[in-house]
Amino acid sequence: DAKTTQPNSMESNEEEPVHLPCNHSTISGTDYIHWYRQLPSQGPEYVIHGLTSNVNNRMASLAIAEDRKSSTLILHRATLRDAAVYYCILRPQNQGGKLIFGQGTELSVKP
Amino acid sequence: GAVVSQHPSWVICKSGTSVKIECRSLDFQATTMFWYRQFPKQSLMLMATSNEGSKATYEQGVEKDKFLINHASLTLSTLTVTSAHPEDSSFYICSARDSPYSYNEQFFGPGTRLTVL
Repeated sequence: DAKTTQPNSMESNEEEPVHLPCNHSTISGTDYIHWYRQLPSQGPEYVIHGLTSNVNNRMASLAIAEDRKSSTLILHRATLRDAAVYYCILRPQNQGGKLIFGQGTELSVKP
Repeated sequence: GAVVSQHPSWVICKSGTSVKIECRSLDFQATTMFWYRQFPKQSLMLMATSNEGSKATYEQGVEKDKFLINHASLTLSTLTVTSAHPEDSSFYICSARDSPYSYNEQFFGPGTRLTVL
């Protein structure tokens, strides 16, 4: 499985934008880039996903590098409720949809 | 969004007993369900993939005779931890997909915390 690399932790101030980076230099052409987040003692929650183009939804934006070897999850205005572990995951098209989680980035948000 | 529930939310059992955890998709039919476990301060580890009406596919290193998975209907999958021991204490989480052809999101349950004494 292609591997992702994320910083262990990041800090942000409330109401400021947050850019969470992810490196995936061994990504293959058919791998989708997915982001999930997990609040303490809860199951993960879907955030966003993309293949080649940048994506926006109500939760976040996903910026994908032109060579697809890295991506950045952007939270436009962090709130205290955004404090969570954020996982960047590569999902191959031909493996039945399974997700292999890496270590993720623990985001803390300061008021 | 689609909702996945798990029951129980927490369970404490004695060493040597078996524990069953249920995972239900409440408002959609789940063609595929996944089971994960998570130790404190660690990431999720995929244990197995379960397709309705067929045998589960286990990840390498996961004992299929110890972690029995049944996906008898499109809305229910169960994980039974047989002869549980303290090292099986963990947070067990299921997820579900609504289509084998969907590359969109998986829906996760809230998790079940198992403590084996």
